[in-house]
Amino acid sequence: ETGVTQTPRHLVMGMTNKKSLKCEQHLGHNAMYWYKQSAKKPLELMFVYSLEERVENNSVPSRFSPECPNSSHLFLHLHTLQPEDSALYLCASSQVSSSTDTQYFGPGTRLTVL
Amino acid sequence: GDSVTQMEGPVTLSEEAFLTINCTYTATGYPSLFWYVQYPGEGLQLLLKATKADDKGSNKGFEATYRKETTSFHLEKGSVQVSDSAVYFCALNYGGSQGNLIFGKGTKLSVKP
Repeated sequence: ETGVTQTPRHLVMGMTNKKSLKCEQHLGHNAMYWYKQSAKKPLELMFVYSLEERVENNSVPSRFSPECPNSSHLFLHLHTLQPEDSALYLCASSQVSSSTDTQYFGPGTRLTVL
Repeated sequence: GDSVTQMEGPVTLSEEAFLTINCTYTATGYPSLFWYVQYPGEGLQLLLKATKADDKGSNKGFEATYRKETTSFHLEKGSVQVSDSAVYFCALNYGGSQGNLIFGKGTKLSVKP
C-alpha cells in the first residue's frame, strides 16, 4: 500500500469500551499527527509526534492516549469516551524540514460513541 | 496568533461556472499556504500549495497565488465540474518541528449539472 492508511474506517463503541485507532504511513516521513474533525468545528490538532517523540499536546482529554512505537505507525487509544467525542479522526504524516512541511492525510476513522 | 479565514459556504454553482473561494490569513512569520480538498466520506487530499510570496500553486485546473500584500490565497478554477463537489480547506504552516497546520473552517462547494 502507498500513502497513509487508517483502520478501522468505521467504529461504533459504547462509553465503557476500550478501542484503538491505527495509522500507518508508507511515505518515509518522520512526523505523524492526529486530528479531530467534528461536524461543526474546524479541524483540531490533537497530537504531534516528530521523530517518535510527542512534540505538542493541545490539552486533549486523557481519555485519548496516543502511542507512536516507530516512525511509520501511530495509534490512538480510546477509553471511556463521551458521545461528544463522535467525529472523524484523521491521521497525517510529513517530513519535517526547515522550510515547509506538507502533510498527507489518511482517509480517517468515523467514530460513533453511543 | 496565526489564523486562516475562509468565505462562508455553501457555494452552489452550475457546471462550467467560474469558481473563486476566498482565503485570507494572519501570520506572524512567513508561512507556507495550502489548499486541501475533502470529498464526501473521505479524508483530506492536498490540492495545491505555495511556499513563498508570489508563488502560484496549481493542480487539476485549480490555481491559487500567494499574495503577501493582501495576505490572501484565493482558490480559483475556470470551469468547475460536478466531480469538484467537495469541501475545500485553506491552511498554513511553518517548517521545522512545529509542523502543525492551521486550518480555515472549510467551504462546501456543490456543482449542479
